[in-house]
Amino acid sequence: KQEVTQIPAALSVPEGENLVLNCSFTDSAIYNLQWFRQDPGKGLTSLLLIQSSQREQTSGRLNASLDKSSGRSTLYIAASQPGDSATYLCAVRPGSSNTGKLIFGQGTTLQVKP
Amino acid sequence: KAGVTQTPRYLIKTRGQQVTLSCSPISGHRSVSWYQQTPGQGLQFLFEYFSETQRNKGNFPGRFSGRQFSNSRSEMNVSTLELGDSALYLCASSASPGDYGYTFGSGTRLTVV
Repeated sequence: KQEVTQIPAALSVPEGENLVLNCSFTDSAIYNLQWFRQDPGKGLTSLLLIQSSQREQTSGRLNASLDKSSGRSTLYIAASQPGDSATYLCAVRPGSSNTGKLIFGQGTTLQVKP
Repeated sequence: KAGVTQTPRYLIKTRGQQVTLSCSPISGHRSVSWYQQTPGQGLQFLFEYFSETQRNKGNFPGRFSGRQFSNSRSEMNVSTLELGDSALYLCASSASPGDYGYTFGSGTRLTVV
């Protein structure tokens, strides 16, 4: 059974710091991995999607890496800003075919202090 | 373009009642998935619909059901509500299953008392 774990559960950093959020999954048979952001009381916003054949994806100050063999992904946020404060969720699509089913980690709640 | 619309935004129901939640996907999107989010269990997959057919179902009791209409709008129903069903219910739509453009709605907050 696929399980997704995110460490740490919460993180507080001063503005301007670079930071890394970690995600691990137990079954390497994934179709892709996606990082989301969730603001309080809101839905999820997709940040980055990495296909199982890719090693990393970048968007602006965000960079996500994937090591499928070791079951790990990291989300790197450069030069953090207070507006980055949110919960970050990692999710995998299991199996060998595309599906709307995602298995989520519990999330990392990030606070960036001005 | 309009995003994914979920109605109602908030609901309070009594144990034993039933409830229906609605999700209108982005125009042109034919795939809809539903998730339950609770503080203890996090986000858990409920079901996935594509072109009015259920493609996947999560590990939830039969009290949880759903359907999709020909205009791609989807509903989920929970019968015989229990206190543990209190949660944020999120729906997501995409043009086809698993597309990158996987857009979530803001959710329906269900409280069972």
